[in-house]
Amino acid sequence: GEDVEQSLFLSVREGDSSVINCTYTDSSSTYLYWYKQEPGAGLQLLTYIFSNMDMKQDQRLTVLLNKKDKHLSLRIADTQTGDSAIYFCAETSGNTGKLIFGQGTTLQVKP
Amino acid sequence: DVKVTQSSRYLVKRTGEKVFLECVQDMDHENMFWYRQDPGLGLRLIYFSYDVKMKEKGDIPEGYSVSREKKERFSLILESASTNQTSMYLCASSLRVAGGYEQYFGPGTRLTVT
Repeated sequence: GEDVEQSLFLSVREGDSSVINCTYTDSSSTYLYWYKQEPGAGLQLLTYIFSNMDMKQDQRLTVLLNKKDKHLSLRIADTQTGDSAIYFCAETSGNTGKLIFGQGTTLQVKP
Repeated sequence: DVKVTQSSRYLVKRTGEKVFLECVQDMDHENMFWYRQDPGLGLRLIYFSYDVKMKEKGDIPEGYSVSREKKERFSLILESASTNQTSMYLCASSLRVAGGYEQYFGPGTRLTVT
């Protein structure tokens, strides 16, 4: 079945770049998403990439998609303490708006 | 601005109680979802609905039911709460955009069953 995998934890220093990785199994996914969850809050859509693209940039965020390897990454440039959160990767499933989420990567930013 | 609201942020219930979690969205979205979130497991889909009175099981529907009588409201029901249903519950609604979907989430309800 469909599956999305992420590493559980990443720690970086403030000002460094963070790279959060994700692998997925469904090659028919049309969109892949990154969500951010701050402590005590729901999920907030950060960015998404269409499956026929290999890169998308949005200010400090860069999404890279390697469709052959089914690998997605989120790079955060100049990471700030306010970027500390859980980041979820997700893929679409079918045409009902269902998403399959990874386990989430906790990003810890040290001052 | 899309708004998805959930009836409670924190809830404590006893084993065996019937529990209702309410979710309301104000953007006329057709699709609505209930997830539970547990550490290390990410979000798991319990049920979703793509129209009024329509519902489909997600990955972990056992012990839960849902109700969608109006487009804006999607309720999750725990018929007889058990301690293994202690979790964070997240509601979402989705909007179709250019061939894909954007899901918008509520703030979550942290349910503790004692």
